[in-house]
Formats: sequence, structure tokens, C-alpha cells
Amino acid sequence: SSELTQDPAVSVALGQTVRITCQGDSLRYYFASWYQQKPGQAPVIFMYGNNNRPSGIPDRFTGSRSGNTASLTITGAQAEDEADYFCNSRDISGNHLIFGGGTKLTVL
Amino acid sequence: QVQLQESGPGLVKPSETLFLTCTVSGDSLRSQYWSWSWIRQPPGKGLEWIGSGSHTGNTDYNPSLKSRVTISLDTSKNEFFLELTSVIAADTAVYYCARLTTLTSLSLVYFDSWGQGTLVTVSS
Repeated sequence: SSELTQDPAVSVALGQTVRITCQGDSLRYYFASWYQQKPGQAPVIFMYGNNNRPSGIPDRFTGSRSGNTASLTITGAQAEDEADYFCNSRDISGNHLIFGGGTKLTVL
Repeated sequence: QVQLQESGPGLVKPSETLFLTCTVSGDSLRSQYWSWSWIRQPPGKGLEWIGSGSHTGNTDYNPSLKSRVTISLDTSKNEFFLELTSVIAADTAVYYCARLTTLTSLSLVYFDSWGQGTLVTVSS
């Protein structure tokens, strides 16, 4: 498959833990990267590979992979974490790049 | 710190060619560590990778757009370009340029820097 599948919407109570997932056959062979996008802004890299956070990204964000699923976990979600989150990786052929459809995270 | 800035027309007529420029500062397009990409996002929708190019001349394109897309680099001006021919209404989107890091040993790619994006509307 050349697709990455994400839940369209996820909600979490303030201060609780939430996991955002990304499924695809290619994730058995390639790591995912994760981007946060707020309304009217460009996406920002939030996680890449096996739990690598760029400078400035809070440590409440962690990344992981199991089988064909990559996950972005927020431990102690904050109001400012409300945003769209996109995963990205190579397709199964390894020749092209693909994005998941995105998950809209709501912090209640 | 690298910065990217898209520029180009905000309105293109159907069947015409869309041409965008990405001006890069704080890094060189000649760097061996990165390639340079275009990504788009239709209003209210998700992200779509258009393609990537490097100073070696290598290019990769989204199969769904390959017949209409050309990405090229001008290393003397530190700019790279997107050309999309025969545009239709479905090509209306915010177009982003971005720097792509590839770590082959880790089977990992990621876009570590993005421009602010430019909205292109296809309409007569």
C-alpha cells in the first residue's frame, strides 16, 4: 500500500495522555516523521525517526513504532497542543514520499 | 538558521502553467546533506508531496503529478523552482517549499524547515 492512515480527529482532556497513530505497510520498513500545524501556519517538524525531537519541542511528546504503526504520544496534554498532526514517510516502493491524512487534536 | 520563502502569482488561469520560486537563505542548495521539496495543501485538506530535487540534478516526483511537474534549482541564486503545467481547479492550494533531510542508514526522511506557504488559486 502507498497510504498512511490517521484518525481524522482525536480529543484529550487537559493534562491527560493521548496517542495519535499512523498506519501503513511502508512503516514496517521506514520510520515516520511528525508535523504539527496550527491554523494559518506552516507545518513544523515535531518528531522524526525513533523518538527524536527537534530542538525546542517539549519532552511531553514521544514517538514510537510497532509493526506497521507509528505513534506520537503526548503525556500531559496542554491547551497549546491543540492542532493538526500529520505523519510522513516513504511509500512501500521507497521511491516516493507520502503523508497521512492528518489528525485534528482537540484539548478539552 | 535556514529560511525559505515562496514567491509567485496568486492566481493562475485553467490550462496555464504555475511557476513558483523558493528563495533559500542561511544554507546552500549545493549542500550534500539535503534536497529541496515542494508540498501543497488544498484549502481545508491534508498535505501532498509534489516532488524533490537536489544540486546533483536528481529529482523525484509524486506519481500522480509526474507528467505535469518539473522541479529545478539555480544554485548561483540559491533558489529552486516549481513548474506545474495544465493547471485545473483541483490544483488550488497553499504551496510550501521545504528542506528535506534523508538518513538512508536509518530509513528516515523528514522536512526540517518550511517556508510560510503561498496560496495559488486556479480560476478564470
